Amino acid sequence: NAGVTQTPKFQVLKTGQSMTLQCAQDMNHNSMYWYRQDPGMGLRLIYYSASEGTTDKGEVPNGYNVSRLNKREFSLRLESAAPSQTSVYFCASSEIMQETQYFGPGTRLLVL
Amino acid sequence: EDQVTQSPEALRLQEGESSSLNCSYTVSGLRGLFWYRQDPGKGPEFLFTLYSAGEEKEKERLKATLTKKESFLHITAPKPEDSATYLCAVRNNAGNMLTFGGGTRLMVKP
Repeated sequence: NAGVTQTPKFQVLKTGQSMTLQCAQDMNHNSMYWYRQDPGMGLRLIYYSASEGTTDKGEVPNGYNVSRLNKREFSLRLESAAPSQTSVYFCASSEIMQETQYFGPGTRLLVL
Repeated sequence: EDQVTQSPEALRLQEGESSSLNCSYTVSGLRGLFWYRQDPGKGPEFLFTLYSAGEEKEKERLKATLTKKESFLHITAPKPEDSATYLCAVRNNAGNMLTFGGGTRLMVKP
């Protein structure tokens, strides 16, 4: 089992460009999450999907959109990137919302 | 609003020198306290979940304990490979989010 996989591993964008971060899990988990990690701020939840077909905002959703494509895949889209979105993005999954979350390796995004 | 504070921010130990990491929390109805390990450039790796005061869990040189206000991660006779950032997180009774602390960066020198 690969667990949680994320692509790309690293990306550089110019301000105003768009991109989609991809996440997939092979653990048959129902719930999936997107976090960002910034120095001094800890991990903060952007969006989550409790189950296939549902998505909800987390703590810092502004500037992002998500799509739960199917049970395995959960993507995060930046429509118009801003330097404040420079961060490390982590996808996570859990069997259900109340269970332990397992994280992917992260995507490092630099917005110039 | 749930809050998690970890201390110290950084900790340097000699190999074999035991110590503890602290995670203080305020939460509206604790539904789980989680410890993760994060190596540089990687995602957090799950270590433990604690649910109620008095609960303890162990894994190799690590032991996690929980009280009503804080959790400790005790590291006994650490080795250089224990060097990492240790993250603490809490889930409240709403159950839909984890609140993370800022982490403790542990460095173990041989």
